[in-house]
Amino acid sequence: EPEVTQTPSHQVTQMGQEVILRCVPISNHLYFYWYRQILGQKVEFLVSFYNNEISEKSEIFDDQFSVERPDGSNFTLKIRSTKLEDSAMYFCASSRHNRELEFSNTGELFFGEGSRLTVL
Amino acid sequence: QKEVEQDPGPLSVPEGAIVSLNCTYSNSAFQYFMWYRQYSRKGPELLMYTYSSGNKEDGRFTAQVDKSSKYISLFIRDSQPSDSATYLCAMSDYTGTASKLTFGTGTRLQVTL
Repeated sequence: EPEVTQTPSHQVTQMGQEVILRCVPISNHLYFYWYRQILGQKVEFLVSFYNNEISEKSEIFDDQFSVERPDGSNFTLKIRSTKLEDSAMYFCASSRHNRELEFSNTGELFFGEGSRLTVL
Repeated sequence: QKEVEQDPGPLSVPEGAIVSLNCTYSNSAFQYFMWYRQYSRKGPELLMYTYSSGNKEDGRFTAQVDKSSKYISLFIRDSQPSDSATYLCAMSDYTGTASKLTFGTGTRLQVTL
C-alpha cells in the first residue's frame, strides 16, 4: 500500500540552527501538507501546497518557515532559525486530486509517521 | 469556544464493548468529517470519512454526522485490544483548491482484556 514517508524520524538541534524536514508524498497525490503536534496537544495545520505554490498557511507558519518541492518526489519543510517552541512532531500529509472536479479536494489526507524535532 | 471539542478521556473499556467517541464543533462551514486513529508516536491514520449527515459503516466502525446539532460520533463495535489508541476527529470547510483539517484534541481509548 502506498504511503507517505518522512525523514529524519528524529532530529535534535540547537536553538537558532536551520532544520530541513523531508517528505515523499504518495506518488499520484497532488496536494501536500505539513502539520505539527506539540507533545500532549492537538494536531495543528501549518501549510498546504498545490501546483508548486502555497495554497494556505496558518498563523504558525511565519517567515521562519518555508516549503519547497525541489523535484518530482520530495516535499520539504525548512525552519530557518529554530526556537525552543518549535519542538514538536511534524507530520507531512498528501491527498488525491479529484479529476471530475478540477479544483476540488476530498480532504482525505494520508499522513506520514512524523519527524520529531527537539530544539535544545 | 474552541472550534472542535473532544473529550480527551482516557476511556477504558473491556474487550467486546461498544465504544462511542464524540466531537462537537462550532463552525457551520465544516463540510467534511473524518476520524483518525493515532498510535503512540505515530502519524494519524484515516479510519472513516463522511461528507453528509447520517451514518456510514465500515466493518466494526460506524461514523455518524448530525450537522444540525454540529455533532459527530464514531462507534466501535466488538472492541479489541488492538483498538487501543488515540482517536482524533477532524473537519474541513474546504475552501479553495486544498483543504486544511481542524482536529480535536483526541480521545485516548484503552481496551482491556
